[in-house]
Amino acid sequence: QVQLQESGPGLVKPSETLSLTCAVSGFSISSGYYWGWIRQPPGKGLEWIANIYHSGTTYYNPSLKSRVTISVDTSKNQFSLRLSSVTAADTAVYYCAREAYDVLTSWGQGTLVTVSS
Amino acid sequence: SSELSQDPAVSVALGQTVRITCQGDSLRSFYASWYQQKPGQAPILVISGKNNRPSGIPDRFSGSKSGNTASLTITGAQAEDEADYYCNCRDITGNQWLFGGGTQLTVL
Repeated sequence: QVQLQESGPGLVKPSETLSLTCAVSGFSISSGYYWGWIRQPPGKGLEWIANIYHSGTTYYNPSLKSRVTISVDTSKNQFSLRLSSVTAADTAVYYCAREAYDVLTSWGQGTLVTVSS
Repeated sequence: SSELSQDPAVSVALGQTVRITCQGDSLRSFYASWYQQKPGQAPILVISGKNNRPSGIPDRFSGSKSGNTASLTITGAQAEDEADYYCNCRDITGNQWLFGGGTQLTVL
């Protein structure tokens, strides 16, 4: 059974870059599927950020595209998110997830990232 | 339109049937998936595709679609079904993912 676990700093200063990693176990990223990031500001709904295929093909939310980079490291069986020039509006719980046949079948538990000086 | 619209809140009496809807142009081309989220927890998939339930999801959960509207129906709602429900599908281009704003379900 695939499991995903987010990791990264819980506090990021304004204007800096948020970096998160999602470690995948129970399934090899190289085997296929899309892998993505979703976030949820406190008390608000879900927002898709980006997806990446195991081969490296990427898709980004247009509203965040200029600040986001998603990457995959198949040797470590993990994928990562970088969000630059963060503001308080980027404070959220960040989830990583696996997309299988148009469905987000598996989610990480989420990690809260707060943007504050 | 690249949006999915949901009613913010819905309530249902214990044991009764409730339908949660999701509207959007993308739904004419793609099926919605539905996710249940309880406070402090990650979302979990409850319905996908035409009407597919993952293992462990009770059969009181069902899904359907008509035109640009997808629906999640809970037949015989239980207290443990009280949660936020989100619909999700690709946008018309197929290269982006959309989420509805979420529906808070209260079981009375």
